[in-house]
Amino acid sequence: IQMTQSPSLLSASVGDRVTLSCKAGQNINNYLAWYQQKLGEAPKLLIYNANSLQTGIPSRFSGSGSGTDFTLTISSLQPEDVATYFCQQYNSWTTFGSGTKLEIK
Amino acid sequence: QVKLQQSGAELVKPGASVKLSCKTSGYTFSTSYMSWFKQIPGQSIEWIGMIYAGDGGTGYNQKFKGKATLTVDTSSSTAYMDLSSLTTEDSAVYFCARGYGFAYWGQGTLVTVSS
Repeated sequence: IQMTQSPSLLSASVGDRVTLSCKAGQNINNYLAWYQQKLGEAPKLLIYNANSLQTGIPSRFSGSGSGTDFTLTISSLQPEDVATYFCQQYNSWTTFGSGTKLEIK
Repeated sequence: QVKLQQSGAELVKPGASVKLSCKTSGYTFSTSYMSWFKQIPGQSIEWIGMIYAGDGGTGYNQKFKGKATLTVDTSSSTAYMDLSSLTTEDSAVYFCARGYGFAYWGQGTLVTVSS
């Protein structure tokens, strides 16, 4: 299943509300996860099952969507959120999107 | 707590093979699934395949069939991945992860293929 993320690069200011998009090539029944990855580190799980916040993740992160269209929202961007964000479907084996690189303006 | 500790960086010559390891602790390895992933720095993450430690059953991404072989040693709670006939296109960071990843990942092993 192909996963398409947009934009590929996003520049925003501290405190901004940021929205990242992920589209699946077919219905994935909400089996969708979001990860944050910083340089040299393993991916860190933020959201699973499209909208469930992983334990220990700040509440400024939230996930929404269903079927084929999904969104990760950061309600108030913080400097430590600079990273690349990936979506992952696990409805049929697993595939990742191409990522969105988030920068501070 | 759950830990996945991967083996160290490898520098290998084209045409050679390499075996990566992923030693686990903190959960019941013998009834769990383990996936392996490939990531070229600056690029996305590719799923290579998955193995069930209970019976060694495997599933592979078609792209990696013939390239990767997954095995486990339940006595040491360790998963292995053999990569064969290496080329420069196999240079990447390889991660092991419990199930499809989610909360539990190894730290990654950098494999560099160079003459």
